[in-house]
Amino acid sequence: SAVISQKPSRDICQRGTSLTIQCQVDSQVTMMFWYRQQPGQSLTLIATANQGSEATYESGFVIDKFPISRPNLTFSTLTVSNMSPEDSSIYLCSVEETLYNEQFFGPGTRLTVL
Amino acid sequence: QKEVEQNSGPLSVPEGAIASLNCTYSDRGSQSFFWYRQYSGKSPELIMSIYSNGDKEDGRFTAQLNKASQYVSLLIRDSQPSDSATYLCAVNKGYGNNRLAFGKGNQVVVIP
Repeated sequence: SAVISQKPSRDICQRGTSLTIQCQVDSQVTMMFWYRQQPGQSLTLIATANQGSEATYESGFVIDKFPISRPNLTFSTLTVSNMSPEDSSIYLCSVEETLYNEQFFGPGTRLTVL
Repeated sequence: QKEVEQNSGPLSVPEGAIASLNCTYSDRGSQSFFWYRQYSGKSPELIMSIYSNGDKEDGRFTAQLNKASQYVSLLIRDSQPSDSATYLCAVNKGYGNNRLAFGKGNQVVVIP
């Protein structure tokens, strides 16, 4: 399967600042997704990163708070804007590699907001 | 109603026993069903996919799907200490949809 990397692996940020998380895949993939996993919780889909067009956000997530870029078929970024302690989470990107909805996850970015 | 429900609490099983995990989903249009394993501090790892009613076996893992009952299960045979992890059930969000909804997960502890 594709090798997925994320940068940074972890960060500690101050309230009110923004952080951009990068997701890089070693092969071209059509579908990329961003998830959040809050402490002790399961995964919640934030948005689908669409190549060449605006991301598609899930209910409860908005572009102003979580702007996403997808400039090509191997790379995407998620920005967490104007952060508050409630944004402390693990942020994961995933890619869909097959025709059967199978998704594979990157290693995640652990974000702590003080 | 939650999209995907995993209601069992932590499951402790002796080494060598069978661990049984259950999951229900709400959208009858869902077609794709997955089990992920997540070790503490790591990202989820896909271990099983199932798309048709019945059983699918892969090594020590068996996934079972019953679309009429909207029910998916995972059996882990001959449980090993290395199987100790959280197991997440995931379902696609309706017919033709490639977005996934996840259950809250079940922690499995295999006791040597």
